Formats: sequence, structure tokens, C-alpha cells
Amino acid sequence: DVKVTQSSRYLVKRTGEKVFLECVQDMDHENMFWYRQDPGLGLRLIYFSYDVKMKEKGDIPEGYSVSREKKERFSLILESASTNQTSMYLCASSPGLAYNEQFFGPGTRLTVL
Amino acid sequence: SQQGEEDPQALSIQEGENATMNCSYKTSINNLQWYRQNSGRGLVHLILIRSNEREKHSGRLRVTLDTSKKSSSLLITASRAADTASYFCATDNQAGTALIFGKGTTLSVSS
Repeated sequence: DVKVTQSSRYLVKRTGEKVFLECVQDMDHENMFWYRQDPGLGLRLIYFSYDVKMKEKGDIPEGYSVSREKKERFSLILESASTNQTSMYLCASSPGLAYNEQFFGPGTRLTVL
Repeated sequence: SQQGEEDPQALSIQEGENATMNCSYKTSINNLQWYRQNSGRGLVHLILIRSNEREKHSGRLRVTLDTSKKSSSLLITASRAADTASYFCATDNQAGTALIFGKGTTLSVSS
């Protein structure tokens, strides 16, 4: 079974802190994605990556950066966390074409105080 | 950006009844997918229907796609309490580089 894991299920940080969210997949997928999910807004794409060291901006990249140094790992970085970044963060991976079936991690619920 | 829009936003039914939810989108697609999300968890892929397909079945799920109307429907037959979840449709963006998700339909099945 494909497994996508995220480093934390729940995370509480303070405004201004640098936050790292880690995502690891074990199926050698080329594509990895970071979304945030907010009530009434659905899932919104933050960043995605087709390959190691490659990244593309999604719909809402402001305030975020990403890193993909190894194929299996895709990190989301909040350089200076703000309260409006309180959200559920979901990581996903997919093989081959980017619009193939995506496999999701369990999500990280981040609260910024 | 192109986005699927689900309808209705919320649906409440009794166990054993069928549940139908709809998705509309704006531009041409390669495929359309449906996902389920149980409360507070990640999404799980249910079914993918390609643009040249009109209907697809998987267990108690039936998906239809009408590209002329740019719409899809997901039918869950003989629903169970365990089907209680949010359901999302997703379509590829125009560049084919990512999926765009709708805001979801929240299904509640009571016993």
C-alpha cells in the first residue's frame, strides 16, 4: 500500500516562528503536493513538485516555501508563521502525470497563536 | 483557476437510501476524480473517470460524466453510516500540472 506520512498530526506554534512540515512517501512517486484546507474554502494548492529540487507555485504560495532534496520527502516551510496560517495542511503524492490519482497523508492541524 | 463545484453542500439521508452528489466544472478536462474525507483526516481516492468515459462503477459507487454539460455525478447506493464523510470532486487544471478540488459535499447517513 502507498503510504504518505506527515511529521505531526497536531502542531501549535507562535507568531513569527519558523515552521517545518515534513511529508514522506514510500512509493517512489514523482509528484508531491502541499494543500491547505479551510472551512468553506476547500483544498487550495500551495506548492507542488515534479522532481527532486524542482518546485512550482500553486494558487496560494505567499508566506510559504518548499524543499525537495530527496524524491521521497517534500517539506513545507512557513518562514514566519502568522495567525492566518492556522489551518489543516495536507500532503499528497502521485505517480506519472500530475493529474493522476493522488495519495494523501493524514494531515497536520497547525495552530498559530 | 478552474474548479469543480459540488452540489449540494450538505446532504442528510437514512441508512439504505441512495445518495447523489453533483460536480460542475468550467473547462475541458483529462479526467475527473472523486475523493472521500472522513472527519479531520486525509482524502482517500474513490474513483477516476476519463474524459472519454461516460459511466464507471466501483462497488456501491457509480460515477457519470457529461462533458457536454461539464458535469459529473457520484451515486452511492444503499448507504451506510460509515459513508458519512465529505466528498470532493477534482479535475486537472488547464496546464495538466495539478488537480483542482471543489469545496465538497458533506454527507451524513443516520441509522
